[in-house]
Amino acid sequence: DAKTTQPPSMDCAEGRAANLPCNHSTISGNEYVYWYRQIHSQGPQYIIHGLKNNETNEMASLIITEDRKSSTLILPHATLRDTAVYYCIVQKMGGNEKLTFGTGTRLTIIP
Amino acid sequence: NAGVMQNPRHLVRRRGQEARLRCSPMKGHSHVYWYRQLPEEGLKFMVYLQKENIIDESGMPKERFSAEFPKEGPSILRIQQVVRGDSAAYFCASSGIAGDTQYFGPGTRLTVL
Repeated sequence: DAKTTQPPSMDCAEGRAANLPCNHSTISGNEYVYWYRQIHSQGPQYIIHGLKNNETNEMASLIITEDRKSSTLILPHATLRDTAVYYCIVQKMGGNEKLTFGTGTRLTIIP
Repeated sequence: NAGVMQNPRHLVRRRGQEARLRCSPMKGHSHVYWYRQLPEEGLKFMVYLQKENIIDESGMPKERFSAEFPKEGPSILRIQQVVRGDSAAYFCASSGIAGDTQYFGPGTRLTVL
């Protein structure tokens, strides 16, 4: 599976959009970009995933660059409850199904 | 629509005892994955099972650890003769088909005294 690079930490003001970047320059054509988050010591929570088109759901938007070498997770109106570690993971569909978690980005929402 | 369930949520064992961690996947899911998170570390894959079969156990320690997912009932992660280094949070995830989105349970926090 392709490796990902994320900034170790970010701050965002409450109510503003949080934009979390991820680099995955070695991603293959059949690998998806997945985002999970872990709030404190809870179980990882699935947020969103995409292949090459931008995606949006009730939690977030995912913007994938045309060359697929990087992506940005957008939380449109961050709240204090969005404080968490966010993980960007690339996973091959139909192949080895294990998720490889990196160190993620620790996002802190500032009141 | 119940999510992935794990029990117990907290488990305390003394060195040398056995620990059994249970995971009930989401309804309709037949693929189960176990991950371990040591204190202040990231999540590491341990084992991937489909009903009655171990598909990938590349992350399982060679000794004392075993996993099963019987035809009926929850998946079980079993740790024999626990040591202090086994203290960690153990998370289970499930998916409906191979390679599909994995949904995680709340975890079991194992403390070995």
